[in-house]
Amino acid sequence: QVQLVESGGGVVQPGGSLRLSCAASGFTFSNYGMHWVRQAPGKGLEWVAFIRDDGSIKYHADSVKGRFTISRDNSKNTLYLQMNSLGTEDTAVYYCATISSTSWGFMDVWGKGTTVTVSS
Amino acid sequence: EMVMTQSPVTLSVAPGERATLSCRASQSVSSKLAWYQQKPGQPPRLLIYGASTRATGIPARFSGSGSGTEFTLTISSLQSEDFAIYYCQQYDEWPLTFGGGTKVEIK
Repeated sequence: QVQLVESGGGVVQPGGSLRLSCAASGFTFSNYGMHWVRQAPGKGLEWVAFIRDDGSIKYHADSVKGRFTISRDNSKNTLYLQMNSLGTEDTAVYYCATISSTSWGFMDVWGKGTTVTVSS
Repeated sequence: EMVMTQSPVTLSVAPGERATLSCRASQSVSSKLAWYQQKPGQPPRLLIYGASTRATGIPARFSGSGSGTEFTLTISSLQSEDFAIYYCQQYDEWPLTFGGGTKVEIK
């Protein structure tokens, strides 16, 4: 059974940093690209970043470009999101999600999410 | 950036009735359109991809149609578990973008 478990969320001051992790199990992690998607309180979904299965291709949303970096360690079956220079606008639940077998572009299986709160 | 617009924002439907949700793209996305369902406190769940292909385990009462810029998600006979928020998402170009969502509530 495919399982994704996010961790690393918490409360951080503006300008601070956090690293989110997403532990994957139940599938061959190294064969799948992965996404991060976030959802601010009471708001809709916002795509954040994508990484190819081997890590060779990465895309980031303009809203996080230069501040957030997606990465992965296939030996540990883990996806990461390094978040720097955090602002209050980054407060959200952060979900990791797999791609499907047919396309990089949509999210097949989702984790339950981890909450990031940026506040002084 | 591709803008996805969903309508209506809220849809009130009685159990057993049909629900029709719309999604419009600011330019053509071909058939690269997905639909998700999200219930309170839960992550989204993939319903439809390729505009009309149901994801694994999704009941046949959910159907998607459309191409280009106009898309529709139809729930043929609403069950109690279908009351939720529905999002469309285009994957024709980067950045990937979602619509603002349609909340389907009990009438």
